[in-house]
Amino acid sequence: DTGVSQDPRHKITKRGQNVTFRCDPISEHNRLYWYRQTLGQGPEFLTYFQNEAQLEKSRLLSDRFSAERPKGSFSTLEIQRTEQGDSAMYLCASSLQQGQGTQYFGPGTRLLVL
Amino acid sequence: GESVGLHLPTLSVQEGDNSIINCAYSNSASDYFIWYKQESGKGPQFIIDIRSNMDKRQGQRVTVLLNKTVKHLSLQIAATQPGDSAVYFCAEKVTDKLIFGTGTRLQVFP
Repeated sequence: DTGVSQDPRHKITKRGQNVTFRCDPISEHNRLYWYRQTLGQGPEFLTYFQNEAQLEKSRLLSDRFSAERPKGSFSTLEIQRTEQGDSAMYLCASSLQQGQGTQYFGPGTRLLVL
Repeated sequence: GESVGLHLPTLSVQEGDNSIINCAYSNSASDYFIWYKQESGKGPQFIIDIRSNMDKRQGQRVTVLLNKTVKHLSLQIAATQPGDSAVYFCAEKVTDKLIFGTGTRLQVFP
C-alpha cells in the first residue's frame, strides 16, 4: 500500500498523559498536513510542513501540541497533558508542492481521553 | 465502526437513482475545490476536484459543478450504488490548507 499511513489507529489515554502519533506520507510528497476532526464536523487544519519546515500553524494548535518532521519524511504530532477536549480523530494528509497540490488523507488516529 | 457526522444533513436515495449533494463555500478568492468521501472510521477519500476557471468537470459516475457567482458547488453521482453510502465533504483550498464544508450523509437504500 503506497498511501498515507498513520499509527496508531486508536489511542485511549487518561487525562494528563502525553501521546504521540506518527504519519508516513506518500513517498514522493514533500508536503504533509495535520487536521483534527470531531464527530459531526469536517476536518480542521492544524499545521503543515514543506519538507522539514513547518510553514503554518492554526490557532487551534495550543502550546500543548507540537509537530515535527525532522527528515522531511514521516511526521509526529505530540499532545502533552491531554484534556478530554482533545478527543478527536487526528488526520494526516500529504501532497506534492507542484500543481494543485491535491491532498490525500491517511486513515486517521482516533484519540479518546478519559 | 464509529459513525462520522451523527447530526449531519442526510440525503436518502434509492439504488440506481442519481444523487446531488450541495455545498456552499465562503472564500471568493479560493481557486481550487475538492470533494471527499468519508466512510465510517476512515479518512477522507479524494473523489474529484475542480479549478475555479472551470464550471464543470466529469469523472467516472461523478460530476462536479461550480457556480462562482453564488459560491456553490455540487456533486452529482450517477446510478448511485450501496457502496456510495458515506459522508461527503466539499473543501476549498485557501493558501495551502483545506477548509471543509458541512458534510452530507448519503444513504442508499435498495
